[in-house]
Amino acid sequence: AQKVTQAQTEISVVEKEDVTLDCVYETRDTTYYLFWYKQPPSGELVFLIRRNSFDEQNEISGRYSWNFQKSTSSFNFTITASQVVDSAVYFCALRRGTGRRALTFGSGTRLQVQP
Amino acid sequence: DSGVTQTPKHLITATGQRVTLRCSPRSGDLSVYWYQQSLDQGLQFLIQYYNGEERAKGNILERFSAQQFPDLHSELNLSSLELGDSALYFCASSVSSGGADTQYFGPGTRLTVL
Repeated sequence: AQKVTQAQTEISVVEKEDVTLDCVYETRDTTYYLFWYKQPPSGELVFLIRRNSFDEQNEISGRYSWNFQKSTSSFNFTITASQVVDSAVYFCALRRGTGRRALTFGSGTRLQVQP
Repeated sequence: DSGVTQTPKHLITATGQRVTLRCSPRSGDLSVYWYQQSLDQGLQFLIQYYNGEERAKGNILERFSAQQFPDLHSELNLSSLELGDSALYFCASSVSSGGADTQYFGPGTRLTVL
């Protein structure tokens, strides 16, 4: 069975602070994919990144960076110099490489960035 | 804008009623997925269609059904509605059904059952 744990229910920071959102996953598959999605107050789910299990390189996109560590089954997301527009719920998700392709989501982390 | 459209945006109905939610995938996408987001259950996969055929089922109730039409749009039918069915229903689409594909989500339909 697959599982995604986002232990941080809610995080509050002040603008310009750096913040890291944790994601720990469980799977028996050797091939799998990890995702992050953002859900702003308007409600839609916005795709941020996809990572496959064979690529442990960290990725940076502007103020966003992701740290994938297979040894600890973690796929953490860091926002540098946070902004008010970053306020949203962030979901980490896992997808099998074979078999059923549905996403298994974590419970989400609500990030509040105060001005 | 993900390119996935969902209608209606909001739906308010009474217990026992039946509703239909509609989804149009991104141009070129053959796979459609339905997810339910509720406060107590979080985001849960309901069902997947690929090129008109059911491909996978998740935690979908027997009162719920879906189909994908030849033009690839999909409909989720919810019947004998209960208060607990109130949730945000998302449709997502991807090019194929492969694991490497990214699922792009529509804006969701917020269902309120009174």
